[in-house]
Amino acid sequence: NAGVMQNPRHLVRRRGQEARLRCSPVKGHSHVYWYRQLPEEGLKFMVYLQKENIIDESGMPKERFSAEFPKEGPSILRIQQVVRGDSAAYFCASSPSTGWGTDTQYFGPGTRLTVL
Amino acid sequence: AQKVTQAQTEISVVEKEDVTLDCVYETRDTTYYLFWYKQPPSGELVFLIRRNSFDEQNEISGRYSWNFQKSTSSFNFTITASQVVDSAVYFCALSENNYGQNFVFGPGTRLSVLP
Repeated sequence: NAGVMQNPRHLVRRRGQEARLRCSPVKGHSHVYWYRQLPEEGLKFMVYLQKENIIDESGMPKERFSAEFPKEGPSILRIQQVVRGDSAAYFCASSPSTGWGTDTQYFGPGTRLTVL
Repeated sequence: AQKVTQAQTEISVVEKEDVTLDCVYETRDTTYYLFWYKQPPSGELVFLIRRNSFDEQNEISGRYSWNFQKSTSSFNFTITASQVVDSAVYFCALSENNYGQNFVFGPGTRLSVLP
């Protein structure tokens, strides 16, 4: 019974490059959430997706960041033209069908992005 | 607006001591959910407990116990007879019962259990 999978676990990019973070939810879970954790801080919500739909992206920066959760395949968080301030741990979580904030969210191991 | 406060930034205890981690929350909803997660040094987030606002019964799971007090908007977490493996950052989180509502996390409490 695989949990939430994220890859890569560590990602190094130079300023201006693109970063692609992947998340495969728990099997059977149709709701995915992305969070960012800056060093020594708590997690901050970024975006909530269901299959092929963005439900809530209120926590995601308007520029350079995008997320998708296609019908087939993992959810992708894409950061274009990365800057040093994007260095953080990015966590993905998934929950079962309701996704009304009442379900427990199960987290992946995170992707640690370092921008040089 | 939702808010979660964990006033204790860092706590150090000696092994076998009991320790309580505080969590105070703010919400305007009458239906909400509270969670505790553990983040060990390896970095992953481990789910510990989920509690809804209608269930004020305290819960015990092994050495872990939780005290939910609606009157004071607190959901405190106690580890009895702490062990070195309990060393981690512990996050309290709140979710309101709204469509698409995200989790709001507290800033975390770093617990160090010394041998």
